[in-house]
Amino acid sequence: EAGVAQSPRYKIIEKRQSVAFWCNPISGHATLYWYQQILGQGPKLLIQFQNNGVVDDSQLPKDRFSAERLKGVDSTLKIQPAKLEDSAVYLCASSSGTGHTDTQYFGPGTRLTVL
Amino acid sequence: GQNIDQPTEMTATEGAIVQINCTYQTSGFNGLFWYQQHAGEAPTFLSYNVLDGLEEKGRFSSFLSRSKGYSYLLLKELQMKDSASYLCAVFDSNYQLIWGAGTKLIIKP
Repeated sequence: EAGVAQSPRYKIIEKRQSVAFWCNPISGHATLYWYQQILGQGPKLLIQFQNNGVVDDSQLPKDRFSAERLKGVDSTLKIQPAKLEDSAVYLCASSSGTGHTDTQYFGPGTRLTVL
Repeated sequence: GQNIDQPTEMTATEGAIVQINCTYQTSGFNGLFWYQQHAGEAPTFLSYNVLDGLEEKGRFSSFLSRSKGYSYLLLKELQMKDSASYLCAVFDSNYQLIWGAGTKLIIKP
């Protein structure tokens, strides 16, 4: 079974530029998560989708971050404009969505460096 | 507020046993996860505890005491490849997953 796919793996941009990340979850997984992980810290949930609806985006900085999951499969996360403090690894995870406490499976992440 | 505490870093010797502790203060409890994360890689699932007691899975075991708000991950017969960060995460009453900062485990020969 294929895992969670993410691209790109690395991205370097200058502040005020825009960037987009893509995620393809495990086939059949209804729930998709985007996390931000700063070095030395645990993952911070940015947004959670159930199919193509948003379940939780309370920690998403909506003035610059946006995410969508059209058709309830792939998802994109965008940052516009980027700030220096956005430098982090952006992790996508998915779970089956059959229960509240489903195990989350993570993709390899996108390491973003903002200069 | 909600909080999960883990030691920042631990060192152990190859072949030995190490216990990584996690204490949590959350609004409710609906289960606790342990994940392993190698440097530069994504977290991978190790264990899930929702009832008190010890869950054993090969060289790794995870223990939970809900009354004490406490869990530990026990790694036996340590191998060099076990060098990684170990993340503790708890589902609160709203089924939000609260993450600890992780414990970096260094294995020495």
